[in-house]
Amino acid sequence: QKEVEQNSGPLSVPEGAIASLNCTYSDRGSQSFFWYRQYSGKSPELIMSIYSNGDKEDGRFTAQLNKASQYVSLLIRDSQPSDSATYLCAVNNYGQNFVFGPGTRLSVLP
Amino acid sequence: DVKVTQSSRYLVKRTGEKVFLECVQDMDHENMFWYRQDPGLGLRLIYFSYDVKMKEKGDIPEGYSVSREKKERFSLILESASTNQTSMYLCASSKNIQYFGAGTRLSVL
Repeated sequence: QKEVEQNSGPLSVPEGAIASLNCTYSDRGSQSFFWYRQYSGKSPELIMSIYSNGDKEDGRFTAQLNKASQYVSLLIRDSQPSDSATYLCAVNNYGQNFVFGPGTRLSVLP
Repeated sequence: DVKVTQSSRYLVKRTGEKVFLECVQDMDHENMFWYRQDPGLGLRLIYFSYDVKMKEKGDIPEGYSVSREKKERFSLILESASTNQTSMYLCASSKNIQYFGAGTRLSVL
């Protein structure tokens, strides 16, 4: 059973702080990794994709991938109350199917 | 931009009714998916399709069927709706990245 694990949270950070979200996966054959943001009652929307070891930055978001440790993380700098949402980690091994983690609920406190 | 359109945002049905949830994508993606999402249970894959007229069972196919007659359209069918099928249903399509529709919140009374 291929698994993706995340802390369910809630993770609470003050406004302006760095939020760090973590994800581990079990399938060593995984090749592509994604972070989605899901607001309450809405559908997931893609924030970042990452395919190679190291860091990938996009605005206030940085995704970090370590395939040897089977670990992917998302850092959100200068967190805003509007970042309060559930963040889903997803993993794909270039097959048709994607495996999603249960999500981490982030709360950014004003 | 990829657009995945689900036919209804909210739906209320009676137990025993046959329910059709429709999903259309405009990016010529081969792969399409149906998930349900319940509090505390995350996203659970019901069915997916990697080509026209092809379908594969996901983790929770019981009580559901699907149809894919055209590449852009993937339908989820509840043959006889039950109260435990009350949920948020999400359609997605992908080539290398998965994109989601807005979701259908189905209530079965």
